[in-house]
Amino acid sequence: AQSVAQPEDQVNVAEGNPLTVKCTYSVSGNPYLFWYVQYPNRGLQFLLKYITGDNLVKGSYGFEAEFNKSQTSFHLKKPSALVSDSALYFCAVRVPLLSSASKIIFGSGTRLSIRP
Amino acid sequence: EAQVTQNPRYLITVTGKKLTVTCSQNMNHEYMSWYRQDPGLGLRQIYYSMNVEVTDKGDVPEGYKVSRKEKRNFPLILESPSPNQTSLYFCASTPSVKGVGGYTFGSGTRLTVV
Repeated sequence: AQSVAQPEDQVNVAEGNPLTVKCTYSVSGNPYLFWYVQYPNRGLQFLLKYITGDNLVKGSYGFEAEFNKSQTSFHLKKPSALVSDSALYFCAVRVPLLSSASKIIFGSGTRLSIRP
Repeated sequence: EAQVTQNPRYLITVTGKKLTVTCSQNMNHEYMSWYRQDPGLGLRQIYYSMNVEVTDKGDVPEGYKVSRKEKRNFPLILESPSPNQTSLYFCASTPSVKGVGGYTFGSGTRLTVV
């Protein structure tokens, strides 16, 4: 079955330290992978995506993600966390359908908490 | 400003009373979708639309209807809401059905069915 997993419900990091939010996927073919962030009382905002090319993808707000095909992972990273990074983060993968269309499936989300 | 607009933001209703949540996008996107967000379950797709008059079921379509009469609008209809439909709902759009681009999400509708 095609799926995406975020193994940690919550990640706690001190401000200024590096952060990692984990994501693994299972999908047939070449994966298209995404990260979204949700701030309180807001919709999801697109952070970054991997379609093809360089395994290290840079996105908004200083975030980056590393695609690892052998480990089927797409972990989100930031070298130095800010308190304002505290939010709910979703990993997502594009799943091709029988038609030429596709759909996106989301992980269950990881709550990132940055302490001052 | 490019955006997806949902209304209302908050809604409390009673079991069985038909309701509609509206969704409109101003980006000329082909693909639109409805999701519900529940704690620990992430976002689950309810219905999607690849273009005008083309809609299909997502993963959790029971109890919901949609229509796509115009490209910009994609309303979600609950004919007879039940308490298990209490959730946070999001409408989203993306330029094409190929799904290469990121999604743009609305701000959400928090629905409570009592």
